[in-house]
Amino acid sequence: DTGVSQDPRHKITKRGQNVTFRCDPISEHNRLYWYRQTLGQGPEFLTYFQNEAQLEKSRLLSDRFSAERPKGSFSTLEIQRTEQGDSAMYLCASSLGLRGTDEKLFFGSGTQLSVL
Amino acid sequence: EDKVVQSPLSLVVHEGDTVTLNCSYEVTNFRSLLWYKQEKKAPTFLFMLTSSGIEKKSGRLSSILDKKELFSILNITATQTGDSAVYLCAEGKETSGSRLTFGEGTQLTVNP
Repeated sequence: DTGVSQDPRHKITKRGQNVTFRCDPISEHNRLYWYRQTLGQGPEFLTYFQNEAQLEKSRLLSDRFSAERPKGSFSTLEIQRTEQGDSAMYLCASSLGLRGTDEKLFFGSGTQLSVL
Repeated sequence: EDKVVQSPLSLVVHEGDTVTLNCSYEVTNFRSLLWYKQEKKAPTFLFMLTSSGIEKKSGRLSSILDKKELFSILNITATQTGDSAVYLCAEGKETSGSRLTFGEGTQLTVNP
């Protein structure tokens, strides 16, 4: 499978616990994005990387959220001290990062987070 | 704040019908308008539009952009039950480093 893969597919956690999600982008893609999607809404941008550099973070992203892409390949998204409002689908996407095509994002199937 | 508005939010049709989905966006720093189809999980890419008046087609789906009136439409002809999905519209801006702003989506249900 050469698409974007995310792990785990589902995560149930108790309020206050930390969780970490992983994303493996398409191998030749140098841009990687994290989005969050709640029921009935479109995906909402969280952050993105160009290779290993985190170039932009949403103003909505609280300090409890941190993302890394240490070697410019896979990425992790960590949420500390989870709250019930963090319950959502967390989508990862990647793109080539070339002018004229870099908005064409390829999405993974997401990690569904439920905070009890 | 960036705003992409889709209409209708939901639509129920019968197989064989033709549907038109609408998307309006903001002009500031506009670069591209994209359509995605989301069935269960991952949104899948349909079209990317950057120029006004040029229709993009893929089978029964087509889309066009109007940069003067700041909207795009997605047409699906001869709908099939497999077209049932959420259709998402997204705007890319010159200043946003390819970050996309998505609309709420249109939930399309095609009944047999």
